[in-house]
Amino acid sequence: QKEVEQNSGPLSVPEGAIASLNCTYSDRGSQSFFWYRQYSGKSPELIMSIYSNGDKEDGRFTAQLNKASQYVSLLIRDSQPSDSATYLCAVNSGGSNYKLTFGKGTLLTVNP
Amino acid sequence: GAGVSQSPSNKVTEKGKDVELRCDPISGHTALYWYRQSLGQGLEFLIYFQGNSAPDKSGLPSDRFSAERTGGSVSTLTIQRTQQEDSAVYLCASRLVGAYEQYFGPGTRLTVT
Repeated sequence: QKEVEQNSGPLSVPEGAIASLNCTYSDRGSQSFFWYRQYSGKSPELIMSIYSNGDKEDGRFTAQLNKASQYVSLLIRDSQPSDSATYLCAVNSGGSNYKLTFGKGTLLTVNP
Repeated sequence: GAGVSQSPSNKVTEKGKDVELRCDPISGHTALYWYRQSLGQGLEFLIYFQGNSAPDKSGLPSDRFSAERTGGSVSTLTIQRTQQEDSAVYLCASRLVGAYEQYFGPGTRLTVT
């Protein structure tokens, strides 16, 4: 069974700090990787996608992928209280349907 | 542009009743997914539609669950004889063919009493 594991959290960081969220996956054939942000009572919002080994930066967000270690992470620089949410790691393990397998999520709280 | 829309936003039903949940994907997105999010199970795949191809129903938890997609656009998820364990948020997502990213609708919160 394909699994996606995230650091359980909750994670609490002060405003302005770097928040680091981690995710590992079991299917070595996985091809694409996503981070979703989910505010309480809302649906998941796509914030980052990454397909190749290395780093991908978008504003204050950096996604890192290491396929050999089956590891993907999300760094949030200059964390803001508005970043407080649950972050979901999702993995597409290939096949023609591109369905996503999700981790259970990490709750991040950024303290002013 | 308009995102994925779902209706109703909330649905409370009595155990044993049937319910229908609706999803309208992003215009031009021919790939459509249903997921379910519950406290105990996290976010799990239910069913996938792509164009006129046969749907991938591998995630449906029981034969009480069914879904259809009419005209390659709007989809309806039907749950027959609802049970309390069906209580969850039902999320629809759509994807543009040729891309990998899925975009979620606001969800339908189903409560079975």
